[in-house]
Order: sequence, then structure tokens, then C-alpha cells
Amino acid sequence: KNEVEQSPQNLTAQEGEFITINCSYSVGISALHWLQQHPGGGIVSLFMLSSGKKKHGRLIATINIQEKHSSLHITASHPRDSAVYICAETSNYGGSQGNLIFGKGTKLSVKP
Amino acid sequence: DTGVSQNPRHKITKRGQNVTFRCDPISEHNRLYWYRQTLGQGPEFLTYFQNEAQLEKSRLLSDRFSAERPKGSFSTLEIQRTEQGDSAMYLCASSLGKVSGLFFGSGTQLSVL
Repeated sequence: KNEVEQSPQNLTAQEGEFITINCSYSVGISALHWLQQHPGGGIVSLFMLSSGKKKHGRLIATINIQEKHSSLHITASHPRDSAVYICAETSNYGGSQGNLIFGKGTKLSVKP
Repeated sequence: DTGVSQNPRHKITKRGQNVTFRCDPISEHNRLYWYRQTLGQGPEFLTYFQNEAQLEKSRLLSDRFSAERPKGSFSTLEIQRTEQGDSAMYLCASSLGKVSGLFFGSGTQLSVL
């Protein structure tokens, strides 16, 4: 069964802290997505990666294909980073090309 | 371009009624996806289109659900004979093939009373 597991489920941090959110998946992928969802439902795509590392501002995403693991890091966290962060994979499991499998999300709260 | 647009934002209906949602993707995006999300859960895939062709449907998509993208631009998702279990946020996303990231709409929150 193709599963995406995220940890932790909930994370509370103080402003300025370095934050790591982890994502593990069970089958081979063609791409791994990190998404940010704010209250009210809006989802923003942060990264799509299939190897290595990507950086955008204070956000860094890494992926280890051999270990089937990805991490999202936030440096110098800020209260406006408070959101749910969702990991999703695009796999070729069962021949699917369009089916994203989502994790349940990590709810991040950054306190001032 | 204002991004992916979904209408309506909220829909309240009585059990047994039919509802239809609309999604307008980013204009040059050829792929369009529908997802459903319930409280505390990640989105679940329902179906996706490449241009006007519906290439994949989840087993979650019962016979009461139908989606169309007749001209390869906007898409509609219809739910017939709604049930309380259909209450969820229905999200639409679009992308340019497999290689671009996903762009999501704000979703349609459905409440079935």
C-alpha cells in the first residue's frame, strides 16, 4: 500500500527557532511536493522535488531517494509561518501518473 | 492571471439535492485535479484531467460523482443525491504537465444537512 507519513503531527515553536518537518513514503516516486495550507483552506505549493535539495527564502526542502524520506526546514521561524504543512507524492504506483498521495499534514504554530 | 478560481466558496444543501462546483484553472495549464479534504485530514485524490480527457478516477468517486472538462479549460464537479458524508472541502488544482508544481484554488466548502 502506498502511504505517506509525516511527523510530527503538531509542532509548537518559539519565533526564531529552526524547524524540521519529516515525510516518509513507501513506494518509488516521480516527485515529492511540499504544500502549505493556511486556515480557511488555501493551499500553496512550496516545493516540488525529485532529488537533492531546494531552497526558497527561509525554506529548504531535501529528499533522500534511497531512504524514501524528505524534510522541510524553516530557518528563523516567524509567527506568519504558522500553518499546516503537507507532504504529497506523485508516484507511478499502479501505473498512476496523476494521483497525488497526501500525508495528513503537520500543524505548525510559531509563538512570538 | 489570478490563479485557480473555484466557485462557490461555500455551499449548504439538503441531503438528496444535487450540487455542482466549478473550477477555472490557470489558463495555460493542461492538467486539472479535483481533491476532497475533511477536517484534520490531508486532501484525497478524486480525479484528474489532461486537457479535456479524464485520465484517472479514484475509487472514492462513486457513481453519484461526475466531473467534466468539456473544452479543456474550466471543469465542473457534480454530486447527485448528496449525503451527509459528502460534507467536505472540495479542492481544485492545476499544473502544466507533470513537471510544474501544483496551483490550488481556495476550495468549495460543502455542508450537507
